Amino acid sequence: AQKVTQAQTEISVVEKEDVTLDCVYETRDTTYYLFWYKQPPSGELVFLIRRNSFDEQNEISGRYSWNFQKSTSSFNFTITASQVVDSAVYFCALSVMDSSYKLIFGSGTRLLVRP
Amino acid sequence: DGGITQSPKYLFRKEGQNVTLSCEQNLNHDAMYWYRQDPGQGLRLIYYSQIVNDFQKGDIAEGYSVSREKKESFPLTVTSAQKNPTAFYLCASSSPGTSAYNEQFFGPGTRLTVL
Repeated sequence: AQKVTQAQTEISVVEKEDVTLDCVYETRDTTYYLFWYKQPPSGELVFLIRRNSFDEQNEISGRYSWNFQKSTSSFNFTITASQVVDSAVYFCALSVMDSSYKLIFGSGTRLLVRP
Repeated sequence: DGGITQSPKYLFRKEGQNVTLSCEQNLNHDAMYWYRQDPGQGLRLIYYSQIVNDFQKGDIAEGYSVSREKKESFPLTVTSAQKNPTAFYLCASSSPGTSAYNEQFFGPGTRLTVL
């Protein structure tokens, strides 16, 4: 069975601090995809990144960076120099090659960036 | 602009009533999904459809029904059999073809409250 765990329920930081959101996943499949989504207060999920199981290269996009480590089954997300606009709920998700291609979501981490 | 629309944004239902949530996309996506989000939890899959006139149950399909008569539309009916329907409902679609690789695009959601 597949599972995604986001152990941090809520994180509060002061603006300009760096913050890391943890994601640990479980799957026996060798081919899978990992995603991060952002859910602002408006409710709509916004896609941030996709990573496949064969690509362990870290990725940086502006203030965002992702660290994928198969050895620890983790796909952590770091925001550098956080801003108030980063306040949202962040979801990590897993997709495997089954018939549904559904996303298996973690429970989310609520990030509050205080001015 | 291409995207996914959901209506209504807020919906109130009396116990014993069926209600239908609308989901429309103009992204030419083959696959569409319905997720349910409860407070402090991740999203759970209700139903999904990969092609017109075909749909499959997800993890929590009891008390829900769907149809897929057009590629653009995937309405969800919450029936009176659903014991705890108060939740936030999100519709999603994925890019042409179906694959675990393709990120899902989400609509703005419908918040359903049972009175």
